This record gives sequence, C-alpha cells and structure tokens, in this order.
Amino acid sequence: AQTVTQSQPEMSVQEAETVTLSCTYDTSESDYYLFWYKQPPSRQMILVIRQEAYKQQNATENRFSVNFQKAAKSFSLKISDSQLGDAAMYFCAYRTINDMRFGAGTRLTVKP
Amino acid sequence: GAVVSQHPSRVICKSGTSVKIECRSLDFQATTMFWYRQFPKQSLMLMATSNEGSKATYEQGVEKDKFLINHASLTLSTLTVTSAHPEDSSFYICSARDISGLNTEAFFGQGTRLTVV
Repeated sequence: AQTVTQSQPEMSVQEAETVTLSCTYDTSESDYYLFWYKQPPSRQMILVIRQEAYKQQNATENRFSVNFQKAAKSFSLKISDSQLGDAAMYFCAYRTINDMRFGAGTRLTVKP
Repeated sequence: GAVVSQHPSRVICKSGTSVKIECRSLDFQATTMFWYRQFPKQSLMLMATSNEGSKATYEQGVEKDKFLINHASLTLSTLTVTSAHPEDSSFYICSARDISGLNTEAFFGQGTRLTVV
C-alpha cells in the first residue's frame, strides 16, 4: 500500500514569517495527485493546495506553495507571511483513482 | 466548491445498537467514496473505499461485518456501525470524488462524532 510520511509532529512559526512543512510518500504508481489539507478545531477538512504528479511546475495558491520533487517523492508545503488563522493541523495526502491516504499530520502553531 | 453532506454530526448510542451514518454529494455525482476514522489528535485512517453499485473494499484490519458500507447511488453512501461498543467511539469522516473529472480533489463531509455508552 502507498504510504505518506510527515516527520514533523509539531511546528511553530512567528506571525508574518515563513514555515515549511515536510511530506514524503512512497508509491509505484505513475498517475497520482498530492494534496495538503488543513484541519482546524472544527475538524472540517479544508483543501489548501493540490499538485498533479504529471505537472513539473510547483503549485502555488496565494501564500501557499509546494516544492514537488517527484524523483525524491517529496512534497513540502511552504506558508509565507504566516497568519494567526493558519494555526491548525496540516495533513499531506496522496490520491489515485481508488485510494486516498493521509500522513500523520503536523500541528502548526502561529505565535503573535 | 462541491458540497458533501454528512449526517448526523453527532450521535450517542447504547452498546449493542447499530448506527447509520449518511454521506451525500449534493451537487455532483460520486462513483467513489472513502470512509475514514480519526482518533483524537491522530490522522485519518482509511477504513474502506466504496464504489457505486459494487461491494466496498475494506482496509486490512477493518471488520466488514461490523462496518457495513452501502453505496447504492451516485450521490449516497452509508456506513452502518453494527452492534456498537465503546471502542467504536470515534470521529468518522467521508469523502467523495467527483465523477466528472473536473475536480481532482476529494470533497469531505463535516464528520460524525460517535459516542457509544
């Protein structure tokens, strides 16, 4: 089975600063998608950013960007100009047609 | 964005009873729905993948006779926890994939907090 690894259980960042969350995955598939989801205390899953594996260009979404290294199977999330509202659990996810799995999560704290 | 409605959001039941959780895609058709279980401060653990009109595929270690999944239409999947026990208490989340292919991500329901007493 495919696995997704987030090696940082907790991260902290100062407001307005930049933070990078790490994610690696293991797969033998060639066609897949990668995502970062945010889960606030409400536990609603909120899509932050997505990346298609066939695209070489790194996805960006306003203050959020990824560093996708397909050969290394690495998919890190960079949050620029961190805001207090960014504080949450962040999950890296891997999806194929009939499978979707999550990493263990990283709890991000934003200090004012 | 697409909406997935999960109901109920909270349920308390007695040991030995069964509980049904519904997951509906409101504005798109979903051939595939995923069911997850999330313990406090932990990740989403995939329980099973359901495809419309066929039997669900369960992850290793998940009892299919205890967690009954039905995906009878392109907009509805249900998870029934049968003969519930306190250890089944958890947060259950469904997600649905858009059949149209226009959206690559899966959309999530609001989750159901199940408490078995």
